[in-house]
Amino acid sequence: AQKVTQAQTEISVVEKEDVTLDCVYETRDTTYYLFWYKQPPSGELVFLIRRNSFDEQNEISGRYSWNFQKSTSSFNFTITASQVVDSAVYFCALSELDSGGSNYKLTFGKGTLLTVNP
Amino acid sequence: DGGITQSPKYLFRKEGQNVTLSCEQNLNHDAMYWYRQDPGQGLRLIYYSQIVNDFQKGDIAEGYSVSREKKESFPLTVTSAQKNPTAFYLCASSRVADLLGDTQYFGPGTRLTVL
Repeated sequence: AQKVTQAQTEISVVEKEDVTLDCVYETRDTTYYLFWYKQPPSGELVFLIRRNSFDEQNEISGRYSWNFQKSTSSFNFTITASQVVDSAVYFCALSELDSGGSNYKLTFGKGTLLTVNP
Repeated sequence: DGGITQSPKYLFRKEGQNVTLSCEQNLNHDAMYWYRQDPGQGLRLIYYSQIVNDFQKGDIAEGYSVSREKKESFPLTVTSAQKNPTAFYLCASSRVADLLGDTQYFGPGTRLTVL
């Protein structure tokens, strides 16, 4: 079973549309962290946000916003007024203790390819 | 500028040859990681190192080897034992490895193609 599920494999929108990328995670830990990364066509993963499990406040950074809901184990990412430069693969990731209980592990979802058309 | 560099960006090798991918960071981070990415897939952890001269296997370590002789360098060798080596390889680092939630920062990646 996947620990981090990004059900949307690909999304295509027209510039200026709002778009939400879904992320559902699974963990037994009470303390964990969630991340979003952006991977543009160049390939490098760019860190966007980190959120700990005790902070359910939504966060806004410019056109980006994140909605964290522990009740549904979701950490969704919304881009408002999308632009062509937002075209990329977006990854959600979960940091938690591994099964051995001694090391922290970052588990990635399979990513969502967002294409913003002019 | 501080960051992570990987070289080369593209690498071609013949089947059966070992190849070493370079990863260097000047962020003074203790921990370094190697991930493999296949088309349409997330990242899978190959090896990680929390400190110089120490490293641990990740989820898919078979056919790979690493060394950590210097804090800033963590080269990955893809050996001939790796059955499907063609992939995109990403190196990352974080300030520490044993801190929950410590952010990993990534290099630009190396795309390896085995002919």
